Amino acid sequence: AQTVTQSQPEMSVQEAETVTLSCTYDTSESDYYLFWYKQPPSRQMILVIRQEAYKQQNATENRFSVNFQKAAKSFSLKISDSQLGDAAMYFCAYRFQGAQKLVFGQGTRLTINP
Amino acid sequence: NAGVTQTPKFQVLKTGQSMTLQCAQDMNHEYMSWYRQDPGMGLRLIHYSVGAGITDQGEVPNGYNVSRSTTEDFPLRLLSAAPSQTSVYFCASSYSQGGPYEQYFGPGTRLTVT
Repeated sequence: AQTVTQSQPEMSVQEAETVTLSCTYDTSESDYYLFWYKQPPSRQMILVIRQEAYKQQNATENRFSVNFQKAAKSFSLKISDSQLGDAAMYFCAYRFQGAQKLVFGQGTRLTINP
Repeated sequence: NAGVTQTPKFQVLKTGQSMTLQCAQDMNHEYMSWYRQDPGMGLRLIHYSVGAGITDQGEVPNGYNVSRSTTEDFPLRLLSAAPSQTSVYFCASSYSQGGPYEQYFGPGTRLTVT
């Protein structure tokens, strides 16, 4: 069975600095997707960034980028120029290419210090 | 488009009571699913549906029933609520089960069973 592990329950960063959230996963599949979701206090799940496993290039969305290491099964999220609005719970998630079932990590609570 | 809607937003039940969490989407999505979110455990899949009339169990299906009579609606039924079902429940939908399609989440329902 696929598993996703986020080993950092909490992280904090100063406003305008860079922070990296870690995620590792386990799967025997070769075609899959990896995601980072943001959950602010409103509870809404917001897709931050997505990575297709067949793509070697790391995904980037404005201040958010990933470091995807397929052989190491590692998928970290880097947030540059952190803003107060980035404070939230962040979830790493995995999905096999042929299904929609998402497997989530335990989450990392990110605090931004002004 | 309203996207994915869930009602109610909050609910308190007594042990043994039954209730239905409502979920609807107006995007003509084939795939719909229910997740529960518990502290420290991320989101876990309860049940899912790949189209009207077709449902299947996810990771934690015990104590829950679902049906899918229309493309738009996917209600989740708790037949006899237990304190262990205290959680936040999310409904999600996607265009199709496989492929590169994003899942869209509803705003969640916070359920407390006393």
